[in-house]
Amino acid sequence: EVQLVESGGGLVQPGGSLRLSCAASGFTFSSYEMNWVRQAPGKGLEWLSYISSSGSTMYYADSVKGRFTISRDNAKNSLYLQMNSLRAEDTAVYYCASEGGGGDAFDIWGQGTMVTVSS
Amino acid sequence: QSVLTQPPSVSEAPRQRVTISCSGSNSNIGDNAVNWYQQLPGKAPKLLIYYDDLLPSGVSDRFSGSKSGTSASLAISGLQSEDEADYYCAAWDDSLNAVVFGGGTKLTVL
Repeated sequence: EVQLVESGGGLVQPGGSLRLSCAASGFTFSSYEMNWVRQAPGKGLEWLSYISSSGSTMYYADSVKGRFTISRDNAKNSLYLQMNSLRAEDTAVYYCASEGGGGDAFDIWGQGTMVTVSS
Repeated sequence: QSVLTQPPSVSEAPRQRVTISCSGSNSNIGDNAVNWYQQLPGKAPKLLIYYDDLLPSGVSDRFSGSKSGTSASLAISGLQSEDEADYYCAAWDDSLNAVVFGGGTKLTVL
């Protein structure tokens, strides 16, 4: 079964750090570009970051540039998001998504992991 | 404010047809593929339309997409209660070097 499973969410204080993981299974992870997308409570979807299949190219949304770092380990079929200097406005459900449909389409999504930034 | 503009909500009766618009600019919709996602309550988003008008395997042909210039539309025919969801358009933006989403449209089946 094709699947993405996020983990690593939780409660963190403002200014703190958290590392999210996304485990892929059922497809050739190393061939797929990957992304992180988040959704604040009651709000819409916000794209955060992209990484190429080899890991050599990354892009970030302005809202997280300089604070978040995307990475991947193709040997472990895993995607990561290191989040530093967290703010209350970073509170959201974080999804990983693969880009297998072409045209920057996110064809596989994880179930999401909740990150709450609060003192 | 989202880079892509969608109506916040639409509603229509069962078995009818509804369209959801998505307005952008030359740097996103005008120059790149538009993708649509469906998000059922409490669930992760699901790819509904890709490359403007293509249906992924398993998606009902009641859903269709179109694009003209810097605008795109999602049409849903034969509305069913299970179509009640939030719908998002998205596209790559060449100026921002980012994927941009619309603000989302909540569909209510009356």
